[in-house]
Amino acid sequence: SQKIEQNSEALNIQEGKTATLTCNYTNYSPAYLQWYRQDPGRGPVFLLLIRENEKEKRKERLKVTFDTTLKQSLFHITASQPADSATYLCALDFNAGNMLTFGGGTRLMVKP
Amino acid sequence: DADVTQTPRNRITKTGKRIMLECSQTKGHDRMYWYRQDPGLGLRLIYYSFDVKDINKGEISDGYSVSRQAQAKFSLSLESAIPNQTALYFCATRGPTNSGANVLTFGAGSRLTVL
Repeated sequence: SQKIEQNSEALNIQEGKTATLTCNYTNYSPAYLQWYRQDPGRGPVFLLLIRENEKEKRKERLKVTFDTTLKQSLFHITASQPADSATYLCALDFNAGNMLTFGGGTRLMVKP
Repeated sequence: DADVTQTPRNRITKTGKRIMLECSQTKGHDRMYWYRQDPGLGLRLIYYSFDVKDINKGEISDGYSVSRQAQAKFSLSLESAIPNQTALYFCATRGPTNSGANVLTFGAGSRLTVL
């Protein structure tokens, strides 16, 4: 079965620095990978999607990379702000759009 | 109004009781999902539906059932609740963004506590 690993320990960084979160997966190769943000008591919100034939995708201060050889995605937030503090989830589509499988999420804390 | 609405938002019940969590959406999407979230375990898929006549089991369907009453409505039932079903439950729809990619839109969640 597919396994998705995100660092379960919280990531604490200083405001203005770049936050880098990791998503590793095993077994089958997904068609694409998505990143979501979740705030306490709220449902996850979609941020970015990257396809298997794309190496990098950017949106404002966010950047996602996708290395299908390493089976890893990196999620970067540049010039981080306290408002970026949240849990970030990666999700992989292993079944051609039928369903997404989520990682456990990494909590990011940006301190002023 | 929210695109995906879940009711109730919070529910405390006792072991053995029947519980229904309801979900309605205004996105017009055909695909709807129920996920369960537990600390450290992420989101796990319970059931999903691609249209009113199509219901599929997810990763952890035992102890749960669903009903797709209409394109916009997808309910989750616990026929006889047990304490290890205490969790945060999310309903989601899936449809295309402006870029054409299919992504999930989640409701705000239903927190269920089984005593």
